[in-house]
Amino acid sequence: DVKVTQSSRYLVKRTGEKVFLECVQDMDHENMFWYRQDPGLGLRLIYFSYDVKMKEKGDIPEGYSVSREKKERFSLILESASTNQTSMYLCASSPRGGPSYEQYFGPGTRLTVT
Amino acid sequence: GENVEQHPSTLSVQEGDSAVIKCTYSDSASNYFPWYKQELGKGPQLIIDIRSNVGEKKDQRIAVTLNKTAKHFSLHITETQPEDSAVYFCAASDNWDNNDMRFGAGTRLTVKP
Repeated sequence: DVKVTQSSRYLVKRTGEKVFLECVQDMDHENMFWYRQDPGLGLRLIYFSYDVKMKEKGDIPEGYSVSREKKERFSLILESASTNQTSMYLCASSPRGGPSYEQYFGPGTRLTVT
Repeated sequence: GENVEQHPSTLSVQEGDSAVIKCTYSDSASNYFPWYKQELGKGPQLIIDIRSNVGEKKDQRIAVTLNKTAKHFSLHITETQPEDSAVYFCAASDNWDNNDMRFGAGTRLTVKP
């Protein structure tokens, strides 16, 4: 079974802090994603990576950066946390190309910025 | 870019009834349409998907239909059970790598015993 793990289930940080969210997958997937989930807005893509050290911006990259130094690990960084970044953050991975397009999600990290 | 709208936002049914969730998309180039189920405290999990060369797909009590002309697709759950209670997301994508996947806002389905 594919397993995607996220470093924390719940996180509380203060405004202005630098925040690191870690994601690890064990299926040797090329693609990894960071989404933000907010009520009524569904899942919105923050960043995408298709290989080590490669990244592409998603729909809402402002205020975030990412790092992928190893294939299995994809980190999301909030450079200076703000209250409007309070949200559920979901990491996902998928194999590159076909035949399966399925994205495998981690359990999520609920981040509260006070 | 792609825009996916999903209705209804909440749906309550009696156990044994059917549930239907509908999504529309805007980009005619979209060719892959997955449905994800998110249970409380968990990440979304793929339950069924359909590609644009197929009009309908079934997996036991779950079916998805696609109307490319009208640009809408639907999830049908028959003989609902309490364990079907969850949030369901539709999505649409037009590329191999899913980095352009767009999700609907979600439907909270409650199945009352």
